[in-house]
Amino acid sequence: NAGVMQNPRHLVRRRGQEARLRCSPMKGHSHVYWYRQLPEEGLKFMVYLQKENIIDESGMPKERFSAEFPKEGPSILRIQQVVRGDSAAYFCASSPQKETQYFGPGTRLLVL
Amino acid sequence: EDQVTQSPEALRLQEGESSSLNCSYTVSGLRGLFWYRQDPGKGPEFLFTLYSAGEEKEKERLKATLTKKESFLHITAPKPEDSATYLCAVQATGANSKLTFGKGITLSVRP
Repeated sequence: NAGVMQNPRHLVRRRGQEARLRCSPMKGHSHVYWYRQLPEEGLKFMVYLQKENIIDESGMPKERFSAEFPKEGPSILRIQQVVRGDSAAYFCASSPQKETQYFGPGTRLLVL
Repeated sequence: EDQVTQSPEALRLQEGESSSLNCSYTVSGLRGLFWYRQDPGKGPEFLFTLYSAGEEKEKERLKATLTKKESFLHITAPKPEDSATYLCAVQATGANSKLTFGKGITLSVRP
């Protein structure tokens, strides 16, 4: 039973470039969540999606950030025109319903 | 706004020295309280879910308990492999099922 998969595991971008982070939920899970973890900070909620729908994006910055979970394929977190402050670990979690969330290994984004 | 506070920030134990980690929370209505373990460079690993005051769950050397204001993660006779950061999170009732996390407690167990 494969767990939540995220790729890439590490991503380096220069300021102004775009970053695309991918998340494949566990088999049978239709709910996907994205969280961000800054150094010395706790995990912060960003966005909650179900297939083809954004349910709650209250934790996501209004500009440059977007997320999708298409009918086919992984969920994508997209960051346009990255800045140094976007450097963080981004975690995806999935759940079958509004239940226990299982986390992936994360994508560590470094903006130079 | 939902809030989670974990204490202490860091804890160093000798192997075999039992202790407890605290998680205090405020939430409009509690759907569940979650404990996760996170090793350096990895994602959080699920440990327990508690739903109502008085509930307890156990797994090997770990036992989680819940009251209306806080949760404790008791570690009995810890081993060096229990060294990790332990995260507490709450999920409120309602349409939104996001988790609100504390900053975590870094546990170090010396052999």
